[in-house]
Amino acid sequence: GAVVSQHPSWVICKSGTSVKIECRSLDFQATTMFWYRQFPKQSLMLMATSNEGSKATYEQGVEKDKFLINHASLTLSTLTVTSAHPEDSSFYICSAGRAGEAGELFFGEGSRLTVL
Amino acid sequence: AQSVTQLGSHVSVSEGALVLLRCNYSSSVPPYLFWYVQYPNQGLQLLLKYTSAATLVKGINGFEAEFKKSETSFHLTKPSAHMSDAAEYFCAVSLANQAGTALIFGKGTTLSVSS
Repeated sequence: GAVVSQHPSWVICKSGTSVKIECRSLDFQATTMFWYRQFPKQSLMLMATSNEGSKATYEQGVEKDKFLINHASLTLSTLTVTSAHPEDSSFYICSAGRAGEAGELFFGEGSRLTVL
Repeated sequence: AQSVTQLGSHVSVSEGALVLLRCNYSSSVPPYLFWYVQYPNQGLQLLLKYTSAATLVKGINGFEAEFKKSETSFHLTKPSAHMSDAAEYFCAVSLANQAGTALIFGKGTTLSVSS
């Protein structure tokens, strides 16, 4: 099957610092990846679409300068939370679709960010 | 615009009882629909998907769902609940029915299974 891996699984940082989360498609190439955010006991909210070799597309209300997305290769997308604050604490999940798998997305394990 | 509504944020059943999780959708195009399961602090795992083939879809772990266009529904069922089924379940619709398209999720339903 298609495997998407995220790193780190857990990260704790101080307020004001930046944190980078990596999302890799391990056994397929992904020209597009998606970043979701999930608050406790809530649903997944689409933050942005990461496009290989071009700028990410952000959903309304998502600060592009706060959440920097880079998709430099067909297997790697990164999300950097810049100048993190406690309200950025959340569960971040990436996903990717594989060619031929119409509509289905494969999800990473998620990354739990806690900002102190 | 595509959206899904999950009725009931929390469903409790006894082990061995029928599981029914409800999902209604709204879509401007023939929808692709999905059910995912999430265990605590983990990503999402696909249970099953509807992509315009058979309306009754069978998935993993004994789950199945029926696409009913007239009712705009895609309810998830399992004849006999197991303790290991306790988790969060999300219904989702594709923004466009092709690879590389984002999914929009419902608010989720927490399934509790008691012995």
